[in-house]
Amino acid sequence: DAGVIQSPRHEVTEMGQEVTLRCKPISGHDYLFWYRQTMMQGLELLVYFNNKAVMDDSGMPKDRFSAKMPNASFSTLKIQPSEPRDSAVYFCASNQKGRNYGYTFGSGTRLTVV
Amino acid sequence: DQQVKQNSPSLSVQEGRISILNCDYTNSMFDYFLWYKKYPAEGPTFLISISSIKDKNEDGRFTVFLNKSAKHLSLHIVPSQPGDSAVYFCAASGNDMRFGAGTRLTVKP
Repeated sequence: DAGVIQSPRHEVTEMGQEVTLRCKPISGHDYLFWYRQTMMQGLELLVYFNNKAVMDDSGMPKDRFSAKMPNASFSTLKIQPSEPRDSAVYFCASNQKGRNYGYTFGSGTRLTVV
Repeated sequence: DQQVKQNSPSLSVQEGRISILNCDYTNSMFDYFLWYKKYPAEGPTFLISISSIKDKNEDGRFTVFLNKSAKHLSLHIVPSQPGDSAVYFCAASGNDMRFGAGTRLTVKP
């Protein structure tokens, strides 16, 4: 089992550009979560899916962020247009039981918007 | 709104001694609590959890204590080892899952 796989590991982009982060959950995990880690806020839940359907996206700034899960093995988090305040580490996580149980996290994508 | 707080951003402990990491929460609806460990350039790793119906859960060198009346939980690591040096996140769940900001533990040889 390769764990949760995220790409890219690092992304540097200019303000205003579109950024797409990718995640492959562990096979058989029906829940997928996108988190953002910042120095000030710690880990914040942006959005999570159950069986490919969005269950809660209340933590996601919807004017510029969008999340999709077109199939059980792939999810994207898109930011358009990106802003310097979006600079953070973005983690994808998955599990079989839901948001109140332990997750398996990916290694994260470090996004820098200049 | 910080519903889960880890007030100590860092902690330094000598190898072999006990490490105590603390976490406070404000939402009485939380009924499940978890600790994660995070090494640099890696994602957090689930460490140990406790249900609100218990006050203690032990797994090897790691023990989590829950004091519901004080809305406080702690993670004890005994004995501490240099490999335990990492950032530790406390998390609480109920209607949703909230994480603390983390405590960086350094275990000195």
